[in-house]
Amino acid sequence: DQQVKQNSPSLSVQEGRISILNCDYTNSMFDYFLWYKKYPAEGPTFLISISSIKDKNEDGRFTVFLNKSAKHLSLHIVPSQPGDSAVYFCAASEETSGSRLTFGEGTQLTVNP
Amino acid sequence: DAGITQSPRHKVTETGTPVTLRCHQTENHRYMYWYRQDPGHGLRLIHYSYGVKDTDKGEVSDGYSVSRSKTEDFLLTLESATSSQTSVYFCAIRKTEQETQYFGPGTRLLVL
Repeated sequence: DQQVKQNSPSLSVQEGRISILNCDYTNSMFDYFLWYKKYPAEGPTFLISISSIKDKNEDGRFTVFLNKSAKHLSLHIVPSQPGDSAVYFCAASEETSGSRLTFGEGTQLTVNP
Repeated sequence: DAGITQSPRHKVTETGTPVTLRCHQTENHRYMYWYRQDPGHGLRLIHYSYGVKDTDKGEVSDGYSVSRSKTEDFLLTLESATSSQTSVYFCAIRKTEQETQYFGPGTRLLVL
């Protein structure tokens, strides 16, 4: 029972263009969502998050959108840079579970120069 | 960087042997977590701790035990390692009053 799903294992974009990574969830009790970036041989690095009371959060080149009715969130990276090439994980938590995170499978983003 | 270290960083062991992985933090955060990462599964929670001697199971806890005798250390033990426990293990901390977890560099474990 995969409660958080990232249906695209990989995504390739050109430098300077927009990267859009998608994530779907099934548990309506999730109230906080996060995106992590992971380089090979390193731990995941926190990127950006959003509470369920919001529908958008922006931090520099990164914007996360949340559509609660569709149980869908997306991460937009504009403009994409070669250094953004990494695996991106979305994660979700519910406060009543002690903030345990449930992760998606990850999407490998490749930004081509 | 939340001051998290993991040891060892790499380990090769044989089936049936006990293995202990250590997570150490320098900032006295209350919450600590152990995850494993496998292809096609993302990260999955093994066990977590919400204080000294206070631990609970995650979604993939079978075959694993944990201990937390002091705030800064969270130990993950494989009592009798199996090949299915070959994985990359990540420790994480969560700062109180925040939802965000911060991860250590990981331990790559190979069980032959």
